Amino acid sequence: GENVEQHPSTLSVQEGDSAVIKCTYSDSASNYFPWYKQELGKGPQLIIDIRSNVGEKKDQRIAVTLNKTAKHFSLHITETQPEDSAVYFCAASKGGSGNTPLVFGKGTRLSVIA
Amino acid sequence: DTEVTQTPKHLVMGMTNKKSLKCEQHMGHRAMYWYKQKAKKPPELMFVYSYEKLSINESVPSRFSPECPNSSLLNLHLHALQPEDSALYLCASSLVAGVGTGELFFGEGSRLTVL
Repeated sequence: GENVEQHPSTLSVQEGDSAVIKCTYSDSASNYFPWYKQELGKGPQLIIDIRSNVGEKKDQRIAVTLNKTAKHFSLHITETQPEDSAVYFCAASKGGSGNTPLVFGKGTRLSVIA
Repeated sequence: DTEVTQTPKHLVMGMTNKKSLKCEQHMGHRAMYWYKQKAKKPPELMFVYSYEKLSINESVPSRFSPECPNSSLLNLHLHALQPEDSALYLCASSLVAGVGTGELFFGEGSRLTVL
């Protein structure tokens, strides 16, 4: 089955700097790659996702890149703010025929220091 | 605000108790999920309901019993739990019945402590 590795497990950045979180996946048939943010005491919330027919997607300060050949995808947060502090999970799944549930990475705890 | 509502937010139960967790969504979603999350770990899938029918059971022990009375409601019945079952239980929903094809909307979770 699918296996998703996520690095780093913890990340501290100064406010205003950029943060990058990287994930690799094992199943080349996976075609959907969401990123979830989980704040303390809350459930995970989708912040951005990308499908395998796209190499990059951007939404304001957040961007995700996908390299299908290398089977890795990354989350980029620019101009970080204290409210970006949370745990971020990447995930992968296979949609369409023979679809599979999301497999999550182990998470990255991001701390933005003011 | 989350559009998936879970009750109770906190539950403490003994190993011989029977209790239930409840989840409700009114977004017209046709797939609903139960996840278990231990501290500092990612969510682990337990069950998936698609059009009110159980479509995935990730080899969950029978002391956890899911129920989907209608398309808006999802229950998780708990009986004879063990202390290691203490965790945050997350409910989620998605628009389409096929898993892996779109955004999961999570509730805020029910934190369960088994004494």
